[in-house]
Amino acid sequence: AQSVTQLGSHVSVSEGALVLLRCNYSSSVPPYLFWYVQYPNQGLQLLLKYTSAATLVKGINGFEAEFKKSETSFHLTKPSAHMSDAAEYFCAVIETGGFKTIFGAGTRLFVKA
Amino acid sequence: KAGVTQTPRYLIKTRGQQVTLSCSPISGHRSVSWYQQTPGQGLQFLFEYFSETQRNKGNFPGRFSGRQFSNSRSEMNVSTLELGDSALYLCASKRETGSGSEAFFGQGTRLTVV
Repeated sequence: AQSVTQLGSHVSVSEGALVLLRCNYSSSVPPYLFWYVQYPNQGLQLLLKYTSAATLVKGINGFEAEFKKSETSFHLTKPSAHMSDAAEYFCAVIETGGFKTIFGAGTRLFVKA
Repeated sequence: KAGVTQTPRYLIKTRGQQVTLSCSPISGHRSVSWYQQTPGQGLQFLFEYFSETQRNKGNFPGRFSGRQFSNSRSEMNVSTLELGDSALYLCASKRETGSGSEAFFGQGTRLTVV
């Protein structure tokens, strides 16, 4: 069965610093992988999606993620953090051929001025 | 194109009561999933409906139920409410042209049980 592990429930960075949010997945077949962002009292919004077309995926708001099969990872990065990036981020997986989306526990990103 | 619409946005209920939450998916989306989100447990999957049939179910008691109508709109019902049912309930819809479709979320219904 597939699963997702997000390392670090809280990450704090300074404005302008690199953002790195970690996600490792477990799947018996090549998966579909997603990153979502959630602002307070809002639903989740899709940041980016990996569908095997390219290992480096670019998303909205300057975020990108790299699929590394050997490490079973799909870490989210952004070169320069902005105050508006402060939110909770969720990594999610769907097994190829499957339909159920499994979410990680989430990582709350804090951005310091 | 309208997004996923959840009603109501906020709800306060008393222990023992029941509640019905509504979700209207994006036009053309046939899959609707429900999630419960709490600070302690995170995002937990409740169930998923596709073409009026429950396709997947999470590990929640029978007090939690749902259904989907022919127009893909979905309702979720919680009976005999408990204090621990206080949460943000999120609905998500998918187009499902194939596996791997991304989910589009509504803004959620904040349920408070007192």
